[in-house]
Amino acid sequence: EPEVTQTPSHQVTQMGQEVILRCVPISNHLYFYWYRQILGQKVEFLVSFYNNEISEKSEIFDDQFSVERPDGSNFTLKIRSTKLEDSAMYFCASSAGLRNSPLHFGNGTRLTVT
Amino acid sequence: TQLLEQSPQFLSIQEGENLTVYCNSSSVFSSLQWYRQEPGEGPVLLVTVVTGGEVKKLKRLTFQFGDARKDSSLHITAAQPGDTGLYLCAGCSGNTPLVFGKGTRLSVIA
Repeated sequence: EPEVTQTPSHQVTQMGQEVILRCVPISNHLYFYWYRQILGQKVEFLVSFYNNEISEKSEIFDDQFSVERPDGSNFTLKIRSTKLEDSAMYFCASSAGLRNSPLHFGNGTRLTVT
Repeated sequence: TQLLEQSPQFLSIQEGENLTVYCNSSSVFSSLQWYRQEPGEGPVLLVTVVTGGEVKKLKRLTFQFGDARKDSSLHITAAQPGDTGLYLCAGCSGNTPLVFGKGTRLSVIA
């Protein structure tokens, strides 16, 4: 069964550094998402991406965040200047459609900002 | 802001027992999805319910969507240690992004 893959599985970075989290969504999916989950808290929506542009973003997704689909397979999340509070699990997801479509999640990247 | 409240937050039961966990909101959703998440992994979809009053069964798991499409429940019959995990409900309304509850962390003890 096709799956969403994320790399790296764990990223440790110093405060103020830039990080890029990578995702390969399921190949025939059209909608891509980033969610994050701070330890012990709920899964929070960051951004959705469709047709090579952001379709929706949350308040969390400020100017420090950006997303890109540099080629036909990768979907990346960049954090320009990491803060301690950015430490979380970051999940990439993709779906075939929009309304009511299930999301297929990757196994996440655990980002630790020191 | 649409909020999904899940209860209980934690549940620890013996193997063979039955349990029900709840997902409630004051908002109406076009669909609710249930996911299960295990440590170190992403959420995995269990079921999507779309119609008010809908009941779906997945082996020993029974999912129900409330008539008003504001709440849902998950009932597990004869729980097994393999059912241990974090159960998340997530609501979808129109074309808005999927919103998750905090989850119910279930522990089934052999």
